Amino acid sequence: GIQVEQSPPDLILQEGANSTLRCNFSDSVNNLQWFHQNPWGQLINLFYIPSGTKQNGRLSATTVATERYSLLYISSSQTTDSGVYFCAVDRNAGNMLTFGGGTRLMVKP
Amino acid sequence: DTAVSQTPKYLVTQMGNDKSIKCEQNLGHDTMYWYKQDSKKFLKIMFSYNNKELIINETVPNRFSPKSPDKAHLNLHINSLELGDSAVYFCATRDRVTDTQYFGPGTRLTVL
Repeated sequence: GIQVEQSPPDLILQEGANSTLRCNFSDSVNNLQWFHQNPWGQLINLFYIPSGTKQNGRLSATTVATERYSLLYISSSQTTDSGVYFCAVDRNAGNMLTFGGGTRLMVKP
Repeated sequence: DTAVSQTPKYLVTQMGNDKSIKCEQNLGHDTMYWYKQDSKKFLKIMFSYNNKELIINETVPNRFSPKSPDKAHLNLHINSLELGDSAVYFCATRDRVTDTQYFGPGTRLTVL
């Protein structure tokens, strides 16, 4: 099956700092999504981005499908950004997402 | 109004028991899923269900079975529970227009 690797596995930031999270995948995909799992366990969809660039407030994401990676940018981080960020992909139309191992982010005040 | 809800939120039970987790959605989405998140936060797809078509992840033991009484519900039944089944189970739905998936709050299952 497809492999999804995320880096870094852990990240500690001071409030206000910027960061880039990376997701590499081993095969072509027709679906790529970024999720945030907050400290209470709730999973929230951030972006559906199989290719191209999208922005939503302080967050933006870019997927370069031909090179099989995606980047999630967090600018001016806030303590509420803490949690685990997951990248998930699917090769087919069935939307059976394969998740990466996540990046655990802690933003300190 | 909660879009995707799960009950119970916590479930503690003994090995060998049979249990069910309920999932309900009010989004009108056609496709629903069950995921398992282990103690290391790793998320794995278990099932995809769309209009009576079930897709099963081949690694899921047949002790696990999804049941859909209607389009708004996809319940997860687990027979003969084992210690390794302890995890957080998430239900999700898919918006077929945007391909976005929406997750329920999760059910933390502990098998003693």
